[in-house]
Amino acid sequence: EPEVTQTPSHQVTQMGQEVILRCVPISNHLYFYWYRQILGQKVEFLVSFYNNEISEKSEIFDDQFSVERPDGSNFTLKIRSTKLEDSAMYFCASSPNREQYFGPGTRLTVT
Amino acid sequence: AQSVTQLGSHVSVSEGALVLLRCNYSSSVPPYLFWYVQYPNQGLQLLLKYTSAATLVKGINGFEAEFKKSETSFHLTKPSAHMSDAAEYFCAVSDTRIKAAGNKLTFGGGTRVLVKP
Repeated sequence: EPEVTQTPSHQVTQMGQEVILRCVPISNHLYFYWYRQILGQKVEFLVSFYNNEISEKSEIFDDQFSVERPDGSNFTLKIRSTKLEDSAMYFCASSPNREQYFGPGTRLTVT
Repeated sequence: AQSVTQLGSHVSVSEGALVLLRCNYSSSVPPYLFWYVQYPNQGLQLLLKYTSAATLVKGINGFEAEFKKSETSFHLTKPSAHMSDAAEYFCAVSDTRIKAAGNKLTFGGGTRVLVKP
């Protein structure tokens, strides 16, 4: 059964460094998403991506964040200059229509 | 704006007993509703979805949920708990309006289920 994959599973970085989180969505899905979950808090929407552009973003998704689909398979989330409060589990999801399928997540730890 | 409230952050059930997880939503338009399960150190797995067809929805692993518009609820049940049901469960809502760009999910806070032997 096809599934969404994410790499790395765990990323440790220093404050101010750039990180790129990678996702391979399910092929033939059209919609792509990033969510995050800070420890002990709700899963929060960050951004949705369709037809090679951002379709919606939350207040969290400020200028420090960017997304790309550089080729036909990968979908990346870049954080330009990480802050301590960016420490969270980041989930990628893809969707053919309404239901979203999630990857296993990347745990980002900013020190 | 949409929101989801899950009553009870932790639920403890005995093996073989009924599992009932409560979810109430708020939405200005008819919603689509979802339940996801997260096992330790894994991602979110779709359990079931309500997309305006039948109000009683059956999902994987013996779970089902009933959409009640009058109560703005979408509670999740399983008649007989199994040890493997120990996990965290999330209710989520999305907008039904047709958007070419896809619809974000708004999640509840999650309910962690503990199954006692």
